[in-house]
Amino acid sequence: QQQVKQSPQSLIVQKGGISIINCAYENTAFDYFPWYQQFPGKGPALLIAIRPDVSEKKEGRFTISFNKSAKQFSLHIMDSQPGDSATYFCAASSRDSNYQLIWGAGTKLIIKP
Amino acid sequence: GAGVSQSPRYKVAKRGQDVALRCDPISGHVSLFWYQQALGQGPEFLTYFQNEAQLDKSGLPSDRFFAERPEGSVSTLKIQRTQQEDSAVYLCASTGGLAFTYEQYFGPGTRLTVT
Repeated sequence: QQQVKQSPQSLIVQKGGISIINCAYENTAFDYFPWYQQFPGKGPALLIAIRPDVSEKKEGRFTISFNKSAKQFSLHIMDSQPGDSATYFCAASSRDSNYQLIWGAGTKLIIKP
Repeated sequence: GAGVSQSPRYKVAKRGQDVALRCDPISGHVSLFWYQQALGQGPEFLTYFQNEAQLDKSGLPSDRFFAERPEGSVSTLKIQRTQQEDSAVYLCASTGGLAFTYEQYFGPGTRLTVT
């Protein structure tokens, strides 16, 4: 059973535009929601994360919006740059499941110059 | 400081061979995770250690997969009698003490190709 659904599968955005990736989860026990960035041939790198007690978290050009009632969260990348071109994964975890990360399927983001 | 390292970075094995993949976590990190990432997909959990104790191995796909962390630092993932479906990138992640358990930091992975 897929517990974290991510969309879109791929996304093309013009340089300077806003990139938006969405995720939905099912398990209400999840209490930590990170986003990872992965370049080809590299391991995932933690980008930003949120706990369910806040609705938004911003770090530089990256913002997570979190809607607990809808069980959805999203990543917004402002002023997208060609260097942001990568695959982005949302994930979720909980203390109940030993903090193992349950991952979305990934979004391949391409920023056109 | 040094991040999580994994070796080898690439491994080609003939079907039926045994392989051993190594993970060196960030120094002092208590928790260690192994994940399997198939091509074009998100990682999937394999197993979890807290110090030397393997607390969760529910994600190991078969009894051909075995992981250990005997001294609570370096970990080895062993796959016996490799099959083609074992071809994937194997990722290791570590986290610090209890206050930082949620944040997992990943190594570069080992790409295993079974021919």
